[in-house]
Parts: sequence; structure tokens; C-alpha cells
Amino acid sequence: DTEVTQTPKHLVMGMTNKKSLKCEQHMGHRAMYWYKQKAKKPPELMFVYSYEKLSINESVPSRFSPECPNSSLLNLHLHALQPEDSALYLCASSHPKDGYTGELFFGEGSRLTVL
Amino acid sequence: AQRVTQPEKLLSVFKGAPVELKCNYSYSGSPELFWYVQYSRQRLQLLLRHISRESIKGFTADLNKGETSFHLKKPFAQEEDSAMYYCALMETSGSRLTFGEGTQLTVNP
Repeated sequence: DTEVTQTPKHLVMGMTNKKSLKCEQHMGHRAMYWYKQKAKKPPELMFVYSYEKLSINESVPSRFSPECPNSSLLNLHLHALQPEDSALYLCASSHPKDGYTGELFFGEGSRLTVL
Repeated sequence: AQRVTQPEKLLSVFKGAPVELKCNYSYSGSPELFWYVQYSRQRLQLLLRHISRESIKGFTADLNKGETSFHLKKPFAQEEDSAMYYCALMETSGSRLTFGEGTQLTVNP
């Protein structure tokens, strides 16, 4: 398995809902990432986990809560989102080696719409 | 702070013509530069990285530290090269990958 799998592919939620995005990889990668991508814009880094520990939080609002239960799974818990949070959320993974992260493997993304 | 600039949002060429997608960066350390590509309805994927100095699908890119550039070139464009191309910079610590704004390349028949 050489892919990063994201579920769900599409999610519509209200501003009071609680939902989660899931990401899974079985490539043995020990770094996992969440990116946010708005239409016609580049991906913007949100969080980085390295060896299941949060290593980077790009000042993301607390209504986004990441979780890395094990080396293969990455979740993004969503609560009290705003309409402007509607975007494509991309998960990625990489294999850190000697401090070099190398190539990032991206999932297809979860398209989130907040009503 | 690191920054990646792709001056052209859109680039249109004819099949068989040379193509160059420009990328400039600013970073105080020793960066790692990449080109990622996103074909229509496909996931974002790595095209090439500067340390490997290889040619992928006929594309090459040379890191010019003096000009802080990492332009992507192909001598003869093909229609299947039409895609969104992102230049990206990885900081020295190896965790933060920053993307440029992207260039949408269209290769016309």
C-alpha cells in the first residue's frame, strides 16, 4: 500500500457540529501533516506530527484539534467551525531519515463545507 | 521567514514548444527545493527535487543559489504536461514545506 487515504471525501457540517477527518497510511512513514487548501490557492501547513508527537502547529485556531493515535493514523477533530473554514483538507506523510523529511505523499483530500 | 514566489499564475504554450516555469525563493538557511505537480482530478505529487538532479518526464530544474531561483524547464512541452505546478521549499529542520502560489500550465495542441 503506497497511498495516503483520507475519509470522508466530502463533509458538510453546521457551525455547531463536531466532526472528524481521518487519514491513514501504511508506508511506515513517521511524519504526518495536515494542510488546508482554499480554491485556487496553494496548500497551507496546519500541523506536523513527527513520531506521533506534535512538532509544528502553525497557530491554527483551537476549533481544529489534531490527533495522532498511532504511526499510521492522523485525525483532525472539528468543532464550532466557521464558514470561512470551508476548504480542501489535505493529509500527507513522509519518511524522516537523518533529519531529512524528503518527499511528501499526499492524500486526495477531504472537501469540507461549513454552513 | 521562508518565501517562495512563482510570478506566473497562468502559462500557455503550444505542443512542442519549450516551457519554463519560474520560481524564486528567500530563505536564510540552506533550503531543499522541490517541484510538485497536480494533474486534473489527481492528488498532489512530487515531480522532482533539486538534490537528485534528475530529469522526470523530460523536466529539469537547477538550483541557482546566487539568483535564489529554481526554475522548471522542459525543451518540448506535451499536452499531458498541462497541470498546476507548485514550487516548494523545505526548511533545514526538514519539517516545514512551504508552497509557492502555483502556475497553471496549459499546453495547447
